[in-house]
Amino acid sequence: GDQVKQSPSALSLQEGTNSALRCNFSIATTTVQWFLQNPRGSLMNLFYLVPGTKENGRLKSTFNSKESYSTLHIRDAQLEDSGTYFCAADEGGSAKLIFGEGTKLTVSS
Amino acid sequence: NAGVIQTPRHKVTGKGQEATLWCEPISGHSAVFWYRQTIVQGLEFLTYFRNQAPIDDSGMPKERFSAQMPNQSHSTLKIQSTQPQDSAVYLCASSTTGLERLFFGHGTKLSVL
Repeated sequence: GDQVKQSPSALSLQEGTNSALRCNFSIATTTVQWFLQNPRGSLMNLFYLVPGTKENGRLKSTFNSKESYSTLHIRDAQLEDSGTYFCAADEGGSAKLIFGEGTKLTVSS
Repeated sequence: NAGVIQTPRHKVTGKGQEATLWCEPISGHSAVFWYRQTIVQGLEFLTYFRNQAPIDDSGMPKERFSAQMPNQSHSTLKIQSTQPQDSAVYLCASSTTGLERLFFGHGTKLSVL
């Protein structure tokens, strides 16, 4: 639903370029997780965030709890970055995650 | 670490039949979750267990769906009298205590004909 809104819904990038994905939250949330679902359907956990920023290789993610959003930055996009990126927010600090609808990323050479 | 293991990978049932889906969480993880993914509804929470006890089943359809966790190494999701609208990918996930990073299995794709 609208509790976790992701944008854009789809994105095409050339190899080597940078971009950012965004999640806006209309629920109270204390943590955010980002996942990548590859074309075979496997969901891989990219980040678990409390308010603040984390970096892992070419990926960097920020969770701003005061303004209720999170971003995922992809630097130097590679073909293997293609897939659908999901953000998920805990519902009021519970273990139950509410997922966004995903951003489908296609990286081409 | 084998990750979360789900079996079977694919299941085809006829309308009205029963389907049982299996999940083995990561060893040492005490929280186990079930989610369902469809094109229309996206990823939806179904239920979760901590230390084998049911904690939240607010996402479970009230009829025909049930989940158990008889021991710390496996959980099952049972759907009785399956209907075509139950067709989905059912995903199991686990985490250390429930409030940390979530790790998903590959899912079971259920097709109800």
